[in-house]
Amino acid sequence: EAGVAQSPRYKIIEKRQSVAFWCNPISGHATLYWYQQILGQGPKLLIQFQNNGVVDDSQLPKDRFSAERLKGVDSTLKIQPAKLEDSAVYLCASSLAGTHEQFFGPGTRLTVL
Amino acid sequence: GDSVTQMEGPVTLSEEAFLTINCTYTATGYPSLFWYVQYPGEGLQLLLKATKADDKGSNKGFEATYRKETTSFHLEKGSVQVSDSAVYFCALSDQGAQKLVFGQGTRLTINP
Repeated sequence: EAGVAQSPRYKIIEKRQSVAFWCNPISGHATLYWYQQILGQGPKLLIQFQNNGVVDDSQLPKDRFSAERLKGVDSTLKIQPAKLEDSAVYLCASSLAGTHEQFFGPGTRLTVL
Repeated sequence: GDSVTQMEGPVTLSEEAFLTINCTYTATGYPSLFWYVQYPGEGLQLLLKATKADDKGSNKGFEATYRKETTSFHLEKGSVQVSDSAVYFCALSDQGAQKLVFGQGTRLTINP
């Protein structure tokens, strides 16, 4: 069974530029999550989707971050414009609906200069 | 809100030593508890879990028991190996929500 796929694996941008990350969850997983992991900290949830609807985006900085999950499968997370403090690893995870076990992708490491 | 506190790292041990990584939590309900592991260059992997009080999760020689009275979920292993070197995260998932709340992680290094 294929795992959660993410791309790109690494991205370096200048502050005020835009960037987008892509995630393809495990087939059949209705729930998709984006987490932000700053160096030395645990992952923090940014947004949770159930199919193509948003369940929780309370921690998403909506002035600069946006996410979508069209057709309830893959998802895109965008940052526009990026700030220095956005440097982090962005993790995508998925799970079957109603279950607590999440499967994580390899992450995208973002460096903002 | 819900939170998880892990023992400060880094932790360095010799091979075959006994390992304990402390984890305590704060939650309003009755959460499920997890330990995730992140090996160098890899993504987060579920190591073990427990869904109710007094449950013991175990995998790969690691164990953790859900202690409601002390709100703890300490990770233990009787004899660590060099291959156990990784970052370990304790996490909880509340009854209703599926999102995970993570501790800050503990970096473990095992020397031969």
